[in-house]
Amino acid sequence: KAGVTQTPRYLIKTRGQQVTLSCSPISGHRSVSWYQQTPGQGLQFLFEYFSETQRNKGNFPGRFSGRQFSNSRSEMNVSTLELGDSALYLCASSLGPAQAPGELFFGEGSRLTVL
Amino acid sequence: GENVEQHPSTLSVQEGDSAVIKCTYSDSASNYFPWYKQELGKGPQLIIDIRSNVGEKKDQRIAVTLNKTAKHFSLHITETQPEDSAVYFCAPRESGGSYIPTFGRGTSLIVHP
Repeated sequence: KAGVTQTPRYLIKTRGQQVTLSCSPISGHRSVSWYQQTPGQGLQFLFEYFSETQRNKGNFPGRFSGRQFSNSRSEMNVSTLELGDSALYLCASSLGPAQAPGELFFGEGSRLTVL
Repeated sequence: GENVEQHPSTLSVQEGDSAVIKCTYSDSASNYFPWYKQELGKGPQLIIDIRSNVGEKKDQRIAVTLNKTAKHFSLHITETQPEDSAVYFCAPRESGGSYIPTFGRGTSLIVHP
């Protein structure tokens, strides 16, 4: 069974640009959540989608957005990039909505560097 | 929201020693207590979890103990091996309701051969 796939794995952008990251969940998983990981702030929750609906959102500015498609694949977008957006962006999938206790399956992440 | 504290932030042990990492949380409604392991260059992976109706769970060299009264749970690794070297995260949460997952800041475990 294929795991969670994130693309691209690495990317470099300059301030002011925008970026789109993609996440393909494990087959059959309907929930996808996104996280930002930095040395200073650790793992922080961005948002969660279940059946194409955003269920919850973390404390990030509106420049961070996402969506989920009917096949459960998800994308997140960051507009007007800032230096502080440099981070590892992780997505995780799970069978049911994230409110239900259960394992989160993480991808290997997309490492974004903003110059 | 949930406040999660994880200690220690770094733990260095000799191969074969035991390691214990503690996670303290604030939300008494939390009822699911997982531990994740993140190796260099990879995403976190669940290694063990426990629900609030159980006090302890063991899986080979790894165990988790829960003290709901004191609101903390701990990861125990016995007979540590170099491949146990990684960053470990706790992420207690409540089922149902609004889901804003909170992770501990992580513990870097270094196992010296």
